[in-house]
Amino acid sequence: QITLKESGPTLVKPTQTLTLTCTFSGFSLSTSGVGMGWIRQPPGKALEWLALMYWNDDKRYRPSLKSRLTITRDTSKNQVVLKMTNMDPADTATYYCANVAPGHYSDYWGQGMLVTVSS
Amino acid sequence: EIVLTQTPGTLSLSPGERATLSCRASQSVSSNYLAWYQQKPGQAPRLLIYGASSRATGIPDRFSGSGSGTDFSLTISRLEPEDFAVYYCQQYGSSPRTFGQGTKVEIK
Repeated sequence: QITLKESGPTLVKPTQTLTLTCTFSGFSLSTSGVGMGWIRQPPGKALEWLALMYWNDDKRYRPSLKSRLTITRDTSKNQVVLKMTNMDPADTATYYCANVAPGHYSDYWGQGMLVTVSS
Repeated sequence: EIVLTQTPGTLSLSPGERATLSCRASQSVSSNYLAWYQQKPGQAPRLLIYGASSRATGIPDRFSGSGSGTDFSLTISRLEPEDFAVYYCQQYGSSPRTFGQGTKVEIK
């Protein structure tokens, strides 16, 4: 059974760096074709893909946010970490992590966590 | 970046009716890597369809996807009360992955 769960701060101040961790089970990020990604959703708005990394350490970022995002992994802990620098109130959103199956689609998502950016 | 445009923005229907949702891409979706998700308030998206027409595990057969290239659709043959939600299409054939803006299916 595949499960994913996001963790991190629920409140950050403008200009701070957000660090989110996705802890997963039921699959390995070392398996060929597998990946993990981060998606966010501002309140009342649509989903927005942020970043993903594959089993072979290939990393992809949303171009408009690329300079602010870093995705890394700790294979031994089954965790993927997303860092986003210079947070702004416009970054207030629910942040989700999701798997990337060998078929490239995402069929498992975490429950999401709301991150609020406010002073 | 591939822009996905979903129409209509809102669909008002009654239980038992048929729903047809559209997703148009600004350029051809590679390998028809197009997915549909259902999202209810306070919940994570749920995968319904991948590869434009393949149902995900456990998805009832009243949900079907079709299309190729730039034009895709999701059909719900007979709406059940639990189907009233927001639906998103997503392309995962090219980077960056992108989502449509969503179609809300509401009770008429």
